[in-house]
Amino acid sequence: KAGVTQTPRYLIKTRGQQVTLSCSPISGHRSVSWYQQTPGQGLQFLFEYFSETQRNKGNFPGRFSGRQFSNSRSEMNVSTLELGDSALYLCASATGAAYNEQFFGPGTRLTVL
Amino acid sequence: QKEVEQNSGPLSVPEGAIASLNCTYSDRGSQSFFWYRQYSGKSPELIMFIYSNGDKEDGRFTAQLNKASQYVSLLIRDSQPSDSATYLCAVNPDALTGANNLFFGTGTRLTVIP
Repeated sequence: KAGVTQTPRYLIKTRGQQVTLSCSPISGHRSVSWYQQTPGQGLQFLFEYFSETQRNKGNFPGRFSGRQFSNSRSEMNVSTLELGDSALYLCASATGAAYNEQFFGPGTRLTVL
Repeated sequence: QKEVEQNSGPLSVPEGAIASLNCTYSDRGSQSFFWYRQYSGKSPELIMFIYSNGDKEDGRFTAQLNKASQYVSLLIRDSQPSDSATYLCAVNPDALTGANNLFFGTGTRLTVIP
């Protein structure tokens, strides 16, 4: 069974630009969660989508948004990039059933200059 | 505030020894618990998942959960140099609903010395 895939793997942007990251979950999984990982703050939850609806949201500004498509693929968008947005962005896939397990993709390394 | 605390380490053990990693959490309502292994420059890999009090074993790994003490641990038996990584503890306060919004500790760096 194929794992979680994320594209692109690396991105370099400048301040003020926007960026869109993509995540394809494991086949049959309907839940996609996004996380940001930085050396200073560790792994922090951004939001979760299930059946095309945002089910949970972390404590991030509105510049961070996402969506999920009918095939469960998800995109995350960051507008008006700031230097502090430089991070590893991780997508995690799960079935969405009670007490399910989350599996992470390889991540997208975003550098903001 | 849902906090997950781990000793940042580094924790060093000789090859073949038992490595013991500990994690405490503040939200008494937390429902499921995870241990992830993360190699430098890679994404987290799920090692163990537990939601009932007691022990759960999978190969060389044993997870132990004590909800009354708000404590979860990971034991690695017969530690190998390939186990050298950062181990992340995570809790899910909403597991019963199927929601996936994990809260992570900062990780414990483990080094296994050959």
